[in-house]
Amino acid sequence: EAQVTQNPRYLITVTGKKLTVTCSQNMNHEYMSWYRQDPGLGLRQIYYSMNVEVTDKGDVPEGYKVSRKEKRNFPLILESPSPNQTSLYFCASSSSGTWGETQYFGPGTRLLVL
Amino acid sequence: QQPVQSPQAVILREGEDAVINCSSSKALYSVHWYRQKHGEAPVFLMILLKGGEQKGHEKISASFNEKKQQSSLYLTASQLSYSGTYFCGTTGNQFYFGTGTSLTVIP
Repeated sequence: EAQVTQNPRYLITVTGKKLTVTCSQNMNHEYMSWYRQDPGLGLRQIYYSMNVEVTDKGDVPEGYKVSRKEKRNFPLILESPSPNQTSLYFCASSSSGTWGETQYFGPGTRLLVL
Repeated sequence: QQPVQSPQAVILREGEDAVINCSSSKALYSVHWYRQKHGEAPVFLMILLKGGEQKGHEKISASFNEKKQQSSLYLTASQLSYSGTYFCGTTGNQFYFGTGTSLTVIP
């Protein structure tokens, strides 16, 4: 089944404790992206990747890191989480960018930073 | 940079029609439409491309006015399953989701 998977689905952590949220897709998509969703602010892009070893900042990249060493994986790293990073996170992929292709979303990761 | 949607919220009775608008301050090359149920991932509805090409859901229609940098989503004969939040999205180097429209369909 074609899908985007994220792990963990739920995470409670404390300020400053490094964490990684994994994202994997099995559709051989070139484009992958991370979004965060907050009440009243909607969905905002954090980082995106057009292909392996190519990553770019989205609208809200501060406090996040990403890497794209393999086509299928695009982990999101919070090296020193803070409470303002409490949010619902979505990973997405598309075959070749977003211009003319749909994005497929993972199920989401709910993060609470205490 | 975030597209603005209107209305912010709408309540319909089953069978009624609705129009959701999306307006951008930047030039649009394509417009995406997604629907999100509470707590779930956004689900693709359709893409409208410059030049008139459309890809997506057969039962949903939309328009794209490139000159006015606007798009509208038309929901006809609404069903209870149409309830959710609708987002437009615009592409460039980055992807921007719109402000969202909450749609509730009641029996």
